[in-house]
Amino acid sequence: DQQVKQNSPSLSVQEGRISILNCDYTNSMFDYFLWYKKYPAEGPTFLISISSIKDKNEDGRFTVFLNKSAKHLSLHIVPSQPGDSAVYFCAASARNAGNMLTFGGGTRLMVKP
Amino acid sequence: DTEVTQTPKHLVMGMTNKKSLKCEQHMGHRAMYWYKQKAKKPPELMFVYSYEKLSINESVPSRFSPECPNSSLLNLHLHALQPEDSALYLCASSQLVAGANVLTFGAGSRLTVL
Repeated sequence: DQQVKQNSPSLSVQEGRISILNCDYTNSMFDYFLWYKKYPAEGPTFLISISSIKDKNEDGRFTVFLNKSAKHLSLHIVPSQPGDSAVYFCAASARNAGNMLTFGGGTRLMVKP
Repeated sequence: DTEVTQTPKHLVMGMTNKKSLKCEQHMGHRAMYWYKQKAKKPPELMFVYSYEKLSINESVPSRFSPECPNSSLLNLHLHALQPEDSALYLCASSQLVAGANVLTFGAGSRLTVL
C-alpha cells in the first residue's frame, strides 16, 4: 500500500516556464511534507517542507502548496532552470510514527534550454 | 560542516566476501539512517539509530549488520550478499527543522554484488 504517490514519472518543461510537480497521499496522520531533489550519483537534497497546518510555503523559486481535503500537495518551480533537471521526491512524516519519512516514487523533471 | 560523508563511493564484491560501508557526520545530529535505493525507485529505509542505539530495523536480512561506534559514525557490515542486493546505499542523519524531520543524505555507496 503506497501511502505517498507521485503519479507522473516524468515532466518536461521549457526553461523560464513553471514546473508543477504533484504528490498525493492517503494517510491523514501525516503532519509534515517535504520535497527532495536528487541528481544522478548524488544523495537526495532537501528542498522545502510544509506543516499540515499550513497551505503554502515559499522559498525563493520554490513554493509548496498543500490541499489537506484532497490529500494533495504540489511543488511549483518558477522560473524553471536547466539546473533544476533532476528527480524530485515527495516525502511525508507523522509524529505518531516517529517522524520517519515515507517517500513517493519520484518524478524526473527535465528543463529544456 | 553540513555534510554526510560516505565511503567507499563504489564497491564490487563477491557473494562470499565481507565488506563494510562507512558513514560520518559532524553536524551533531543524533539520528542516523541507512537506506537502500534501486534504480527508478524511492529510497527504502533499512535501519535507524537514535542516540547511538538501534531503534528501527525494517526486517532487513541478517547479511546486513549495522553498527554505530559513536554519535558521528555509522557502519554497515556486509556478508554473504546476493546479486539482488546490488543497489545504492544511502546514509543520512537528521534534525528537526521547524517541526519537520529533515534528513541530510550522503552521496551514497554504489554496491555491485557479483
